[in-house]
Amino acid sequence: GNSVTQMEGPVTLSEEAFLTINCTYTATGYPSLFWYVQYPGEGLQLLLKATKADDKGSNKGFEATYRKETTSFHLEKGSVQVSDSAVYFCALASTGGGNKLTFGTGTQLKVEL
Amino acid sequence: EAQVTQNPRYLITVTGKKLTVTCSQNMNHEYMSWYRQDPGLGLRQIYYSMNVEVTDKGDVPEGYKVSRKEKRNFPLILESPSPNQTSLYFCASSFLVSTDTQYFGPGTRLTVL
Repeated sequence: GNSVTQMEGPVTLSEEAFLTINCTYTATGYPSLFWYVQYPGEGLQLLLKATKADDKGSNKGFEATYRKETTSFHLEKGSVQVSDSAVYFCALASTGGGNKLTFGTGTQLKVEL
Repeated sequence: EAQVTQNPRYLITVTGKKLTVTCSQNMNHEYMSWYRQDPGLGLRQIYYSMNVEVTDKGDVPEGYKVSRKEKRNFPLILESPSPNQTSLYFCASSFLVSTDTQYFGPGTRLTVL
């Protein structure tokens, strides 16, 4: 079956530091890949997505590239802000063999001044 | 305002007492799903629905039931709750399929004593 593996948190960074959160996946077929963000006390919201190999998703300064050869979708941001503190979830979805969504375990990011 | 609503937001109950968590969306979405979020396990999909009267199991369906009698509503039913169902539950919807952007509700925190 499908699976998503994310780096464990929490990740603590100083403001303006570079961020990388690793995500690798196992899937049959050609899944779509997502990063969702969960701010404290809220539901998840889409941060970015990529639907095919070599696609780059980007939003609010965050980027992730769909790498089929390494089955990865790492999240990066060049300069984090305190307001980026949240839990980040990598996820994949495929319409082949069902219409399920599979999430990683989430990575908590804390950004300090 | 486009949104997914869940009720109740918080619920404390006792083992074996049947309960229903409601979910409603106003975006005319076809795809709806339920997740539970547990520390260290991320989000796991319980059930999903592709359309009215069409539902299917996710990764952790045991102990849960769902129904989709109307397009906008997708209630989650726990016929005989047990303490291991204590969790944070999210409902989500998307336009058509799992690979579309998911819109999440605010969450329901359930405690089963």
